[in-house]
Amino acid sequence: SQKIEQNSEALNIQEGKTATLTCNYTNYSPAYLQWYRQDPGRGPVFLLLIRENEKEKRKERLKVTFDTTLKQSLFHITASQPADSATYLCAVWDSGYALNFGKGTSLLVTP
Amino acid sequence: EPEVTQTPSHQVTQMGQEVILRCVPISNHLYFYWYRQILGQKVEFLVSFYNNEISEKSEIFDDQFSVERPDGSNFTLKIRSTKLEDSAMYFCASSEAWEANEKLFFGSGTQLSVL
Repeated sequence: SQKIEQNSEALNIQEGKTATLTCNYTNYSPAYLQWYRQDPGRGPVFLLLIRENEKEKRKERLKVTFDTTLKQSLFHITASQPADSATYLCAVWDSGYALNFGKGTSLLVTP
Repeated sequence: EPEVTQTPSHQVTQMGQEVILRCVPISNHLYFYWYRQILGQKVEFLVSFYNNEISEKSEIFDDQFSVERPDGSNFTLKIRSTKLEDSAMYFCASSEAWEANEKLFFGSGTQLSVL
């Protein structure tokens, strides 16, 4: 099954800067890759999805890239705000009916 | 906006007891899922369910676990004889369909503590 790796170290950045989070997968290239946000004690919330033949996808201050050669997706938050502080999860559908999540990267945006 | 609701938000039980976690998926969704998250760890897939049958289950979902859709709105996860290591946050999720680009909608979870 697909193994998903995200940087387990927390990312601390200053308000207004761009946050960049990394997701690497190890096996086959998924047709789609998804990003979710998880706040403490809450369920994940879907943010963005990118198709394997899309280089980049944007939604407001969010941008996702997908590099099938590197087996990597990058998730960017521009002009970050303290309200963006959360854990961000990368996910892909496994071979069956299971959406498989990475461990997530915790982002802290300080004023 | 429609949402997935889970009850109770917290459940404390003694080891060896049975627990039932309840979920009401979004009304027009057809696929249902249970995930768990042990404190500090990843969100782990347990089981997916469609048309009153399990579509897929993980190694975690052993004979102690079962799922049911007892009526047209509820979706339940039963743990027959809880163990200490079952302590976790359990999330229910649903989706409209199953396709490669399908996204999941999650509930707020039930925090299960086994003493």
